[in-house]
Amino acid sequence: QVQLMQSGAEVRKPGASVRVSCKASGYIFTRHYIHWVRQAPGQGLEWMGIINPTDNSTKYPQKFQGRVTMTRDTSTLTVYMELNSLRNEDTAVYYCARDSDPGYDFWSDSHSSLDYWGQGTLVTVSS
Amino acid sequence: EIVLTQSPGTLSLSPGERATLSCRASQTVTSSYLAWYQQKPGQAPTLLMYGASTRATGIPDRFSGSGSGTVFTLTISRLEPEDFAVYYCQQYGSSPLTFGGGTKVEIK
Repeated sequence: QVQLMQSGAEVRKPGASVRVSCKASGYIFTRHYIHWVRQAPGQGLEWMGIINPTDNSTKYPQKFQGRVTMTRDTSTLTVYMELNSLRNEDTAVYYCARDSDPGYDFWSDSHSSLDYWGQGTLVTVSS
Repeated sequence: EIVLTQSPGTLSLSPGERATLSCRASQTVTSSYLAWYQQKPGQAPTLLMYGASTRATGIPDRFSGSGSGTVFTLTISRLEPEDFAVYYCQQYGSSPLTFGGGTKVEIK
């Protein structure tokens, strides 16, 4: 069965960086793009970007450009999301999620729904 | 960026009642690339509907979706105890992908 297993909770000080991992299993890793979505406490969902595990291509919304980096390791079937220059308002649960549709053009403006989600990783930013 | 506005913010209903949730987009959603997710406290969201009206795998048929363009609806025909949760719409037709603010369906 498809599973996305994320790393554990993290605590960081403002200005630091954090890296969250997402290990995939139960499907062909390179066939589905992976998204990252975050949720601040008591708030809604916010899309942070997408990575193509085949070639490491990425797309980030303007809000996160320059501050987020998504990478993948095909040998361990793991995707990583690193967020730099952390601020208090980055405190949130970070989710990885699988793009449901395999094989469409990564560079098209549209994507697909998110059919499997990791369990979430709480990142707390506090001095 | 497409802004999605969900209403109402909270829906107070009893088990067995019908729930109607609305999601309005600031611009036309390309090809009805609109999804709905359910989220329970302390859990990740789960996919309910995609393409505005197609149920995801394993989703019971009391859930239905409709709409096109800028107006979309999620209907739960008869609420079961496990349906009380927060529901989010999401458009994936244009980047950046965006989510609505959510509708909480609570027990009256």
